[in-house]
Amino acid sequence: EVRLVESGGGLVQPGGSLRLSCAASGFSFSSFWMSWVRQAPGKGLEGVANIKDDGSEIYYVDSVKGRFTISRDNAQKSVYLEMNSLRPEDTAVYYCARDSSSGFDSWGQGILVTVSS
Amino acid sequence: SSELTQPPSVSVSPGQTARITCSGDVLPKKYAYWYQQKSGQAPVLMIYKDSERPSGIPERFSGSSSGTTVTLTISGVQPEDEADYYCQSADRRGPLFGGGTKLTVL
Repeated sequence: EVRLVESGGGLVQPGGSLRLSCAASGFSFSSFWMSWVRQAPGKGLEGVANIKDDGSEIYYVDSVKGRFTISRDNAQKSVYLEMNSLRPEDTAVYYCARDSSSGFDSWGQGILVTVSS
Repeated sequence: SSELTQPPSVSVSPGQTARITCSGDVLPKKYAYWYQQKSGQAPVLMIYKDSERPSGIPERFSGSSSGTTVTLTISGVQPEDEADYYCQSADRRGPLFGGGTKLTVL
């Protein structure tokens, strides 16, 4: 069974930093792109960042470029999202998702990040 | 920049057919995907590559594509189909999501 479990969320002040982790199990992690998708309260889905299976390609949505860094450790079967210079508009539930040729076919349960003073 | 446009809401009675559209200039060139999200839950993939259905998804869910518009069709809507539905595709910058459509089962 494919399983994705996010951790590391919480409350942070504007300008602060947070590191999200996503632990994967139940599939060959090193064969898949992985993505972070977020959803602000009461809003729709937004792709934040994604990373190729071997880490050689990375994409970010414009609003997080220069502030967020996605990375992965295939030996640990984990993907990370380092978030710096956080803004109130980054407040959202952040989902880790497996990005296959069939779309985002598996999602974690999501982790809440709240940026507020 | 590329966009995907969905109607904010669609309402149908149980047993009727619901159609949710998604429009965007990338759609003739890129596949579309559909996700169902129930309140407080993570999204679930319902349709991939315009019209393919993942295993475990009921047959009443289908997808189609024509030009710049893709359509999610739910035949014989059930009360448990009430949810938000998102289309998704991609452009050169990465994944692209529509704004979502709230399906209400009357």
